[in-house]
Amino acid sequence: NAGVTQTPKFRVLKTGQSMTLLCAQDMNHEYMYWYRQDPGMGLRLIHYSVGEGTTAKGEVPDGYNVSRLKKQNFLLGLESAAPSQTSVYFCASSDQIAGLETQYFGPGTRLLVL
Amino acid sequence: RKEVEQDPGPFNVPEGATVAFNCTYSNSASQSFFWYRQDCRKEPKLLMSVYSSGNEDGRFTAQLNRASQYISLLIRDSKLSDSATYLCVVNVKAGTALIFGKGTTLSVSS
Repeated sequence: NAGVTQTPKFRVLKTGQSMTLLCAQDMNHEYMYWYRQDPGMGLRLIHYSVGEGTTAKGEVPDGYNVSRLKKQNFLLGLESAAPSQTSVYFCASSDQIAGLETQYFGPGTRLLVL
Repeated sequence: RKEVEQDPGPFNVPEGATVAFNCTYSNSASQSFFWYRQDCRKEPKLLMSVYSSGNEDGRFTAQLNRASQYISLLIRDSKLSDSATYLCVVNVKAGTALIFGKGTTLSVSS
């Protein structure tokens, strides 16, 4: 059981380049999330998905797009990277059980946009 | 007012000390409460859920005061390995996104 995995672990982009971050989970979780974490800002939700084929905007969605074509995968896309998108990106997944909802996080992707 | 507020610290304590972290949340409809732990350059991991009656897990005790919208975490007999950032987390509704505080940093020294 790998849990939540993220690829790549680290990436350097030039302004204007595009890339896709991949998140995969093998726990059959319905819910998946993309966060970014910046110093002094805490974790902020970018987009999330409550099931295959559905996505929704979080707190800071601008500049990002997501897709959930398969239940186990949640992709985060940057169409035209900007230096303000330099951050650590965490993916998480959780079960559908109402009430206590533990989120399991991937190891993170460190992105530097020059 | 921020949805989840924590004292950022850092809290610097010697081994064996007892330390308490506090957290307040703004949405009175919040249903679930958690403490997550995040080590440097690592992902957050669930430390413990917080129940209305309070709960204990070894050296860790969590308390919830719904009337004051206040959550606490008490760590007794601190260990060097407790050094980390502790995130207060609130969920308004099951199936919706968690709301994270910015975290409180703890440094335990020998």
